Amino acid sequence: GAGVSQTPSNKVTEKGKYVELRCDPISGHTALYWYRQSLGQGPEFLIYFQGTGAADDSGLPNDRFFAVRPEGSVSTLKIQRTERGDSAVYLCASSLSGESGNEQFFGPGTRLTVL
Amino acid sequence: GQSLEQPSEVTAVEGAIVQINCTYQTSGFYGLSWYQQHDGGAPTFLSYNALDGLEETGRFSSFLSRSDSYGYLLLQELQMKDSASYFCAVRGTGGFKTIFGAGTRLFVKA
Repeated sequence: GAGVSQTPSNKVTEKGKYVELRCDPISGHTALYWYRQSLGQGPEFLIYFQGTGAADDSGLPNDRFFAVRPEGSVSTLKIQRTERGDSAVYLCASSLSGESGNEQFFGPGTRLTVL
Repeated sequence: GQSLEQPSEVTAVEGAIVQINCTYQTSGFYGLSWYQQHDGGAPTFLSYNALDGLEETGRFSSFLSRSDSYGYLLLQELQMKDSASYFCAVRGTGGFKTIFGAGTRLFVKA
């Protein structure tokens, strides 16, 4: 079956612009995670959705970052007033539920470059 | 807070056995997961230990000691395709935040 998909695969933007990154999780997965990963580092947790609600947004670095999942499937990560430090690969993952130990299936990521 | 430590690099020869260690500090703890990531690829799940002891999945095994806040991933019969980064990850009991280590880059030589 289809895995997690993310669009776009690459996004280049200018400092100060607004960007949206999309994630299509595996059908039936209620849990959805957003991470960002810088070169040579592990994924850094941003936000977790259980269904439509953000159950844990403790990883969002500041109020420029926001994410939604209005129908409990597709999710969009929104970044306002982008800064050069936002450049990273943004990863989305989904799992059957949020129970610890449930395998998280990762998408291929969106590489964001802020010039 | 929560943190994980793992070696930055490990090198081994094809056919050998390699162990990648992970020590963690976390307030509350559910279990330890391991993920593999090839260059340019997405992380893929390898194993999860909720209880102390060894879990075996084919050539890969993972071990956890909760009393020592320590775990390891054991890779046997190494193949060139095992060259990748390996991450340990934990989720504390305070929420749904999954914390990943910085990763261990494994180089398998012929």
